[in-house]
Amino acid sequence: QLHLVESGGGVVQPGGSLRLSCAASGFTFSDYAMHWVRQAPGKGLEWLAALSYDGNYAYYADSVKDRFTISRDNSKNTLYLQMISPRLEDTALYFCARVGRYQLLYWYYDLWGRGTRVSVSS
Amino acid sequence: IQLTQSPSFLSASVGDRVTITCRASQGIASDLAWYQQIPGKAPTLLISAASTLQTGVPSRFSGSGSGRDFTLTINSLQPEDSATYYCQQLHYYPPITFGQGTRLEIK
Repeated sequence: QLHLVESGGGVVQPGGSLRLSCAASGFTFSDYAMHWVRQAPGKGLEWLAALSYDGNYAYYADSVKDRFTISRDNSKNTLYLQMISPRLEDTALYFCARVGRYQLLYWYYDLWGRGTRVSVSS
Repeated sequence: IQLTQSPSFLSASVGDRVTITCRASQGIASDLAWYQQIPGKAPTLLISAASTLQTGVPSRFSGSGSGRDFTLTINSLQPEDSATYYCQQLHYYPPITFGQGTRLEIK
């Protein structure tokens, strides 16, 4: 069975830091690009970042560029999102998602985790 | 690229046929997907490339369109179709963009 499980969410103060993880199982993690998407309370989906299957290419939404860093450890089948200096508006449910084509950086998402909740609050 | 979905909310009965539209601010060929998000769960991919039904998705779901205008049609609504539906474009990226969502309520 294919699974993505996010973790690491919680309450963080503005200006703090938090690292989210996404553990993959049931497939060859190193064959697929991975993305992060978030959903603010009561809002729609917002794409945040993309990372190539080998970790060499990363792209970000303007809203998180220079504050968040996407990375992966293929030996641990895990994707990460390092959040630096989060803002109140970063409060959201954070999903990791698998790009559904072998080694493509962009395609539709065929597998999502259930999300991890981040609350930025002083 | 901005995607505008309509309506934002839709209420229909079991057995009805419903249509959700997604309009792109520029032409995006057929590079559009539809996702279903049941409350409390992760989104799931229903349709890719505007009209390709994903494996395991019931045939009552269908997608059409190209360029700027797209539709998701659900025939013979079932109670389990109660969800929010999002379109997503993959023609111009980054960034990938989503529509604002359409909440479908089954009466």
